[in-house]
Amino acid sequence: ILNVEQSPQSLHVQEGDSTNFTCSFPSSNFYALHWYRWETAKSPEALFVMTLNGDEKKKGRISATLNTKEGYSYLYIKGSQPEDSATYLCAPQNNAGNMLTFGGGTRLMVKP
Amino acid sequence: DTEVTQTPKHLVMGMTNKKSLKCEQHMGHRAMYWYKQKAKKPPELMFVYSYEKLSINESVPSRFSPECPNSSLLNLHLHALQPEDSALYLCASSPLGRGQAMNTEAFFGQGTRLTVV
Repeated sequence: ILNVEQSPQSLHVQEGDSTNFTCSFPSSNFYALHWYRWETAKSPEALFVMTLNGDEKKKGRISATLNTKEGYSYLYIKGSQPEDSATYLCAPQNNAGNMLTFGGGTRLMVKP
Repeated sequence: DTEVTQTPKHLVMGMTNKKSLKCEQHMGHRAMYWYKQKAKKPPELMFVYSYEKLSINESVPSRFSPECPNSSLLNLHLHALQPEDSALYLCASSPLGRGQAMNTEAFFGQGTRLTVV
């Protein structure tokens, strides 16, 4: 099982604030890093899959960067909105298998 | 078709019952997963099937028995469960290597809400 850490565990921000959080994972045998958005009582929704060191992906106000050498990824949300409130999960894949083991997630709450 | 379909959506079973959860996808994905998700916690990986063979078993008790009869179907057979096994059981699928692109997202089903009484 891959050791995945996400920080912070939870985050409260005001509407309009920009925010970011971190996913740390083993850099050895790295293959890909997945970010998911998860709302309670729903199934996780894929945001990004990243494979290349230095890669940056963007979807609307959400973007992510990847550092495979040091084993971390940042997720950024610009101008947070209440509808961004959710838990953001990361899941690394290594090249030894096809496991999607989620980190503990960062729970984001955006206050209007 | 980018759907992963899970049935039933809800299941209530007694501790002596035998039941099965079903998962189906027609995206040609050769990796399929079972996750268990308890309230307010992220999904926990239970099993991974690669090319219809069990490749990962995350120390799951034997009262949970997975089965992958073909590349589109994944079952989870349940027997002699405990009340603490009540949870949302999620199925997911993703492409696999050896000719399939691995760097695409996994698709999740809506889950089966299981209650053990």
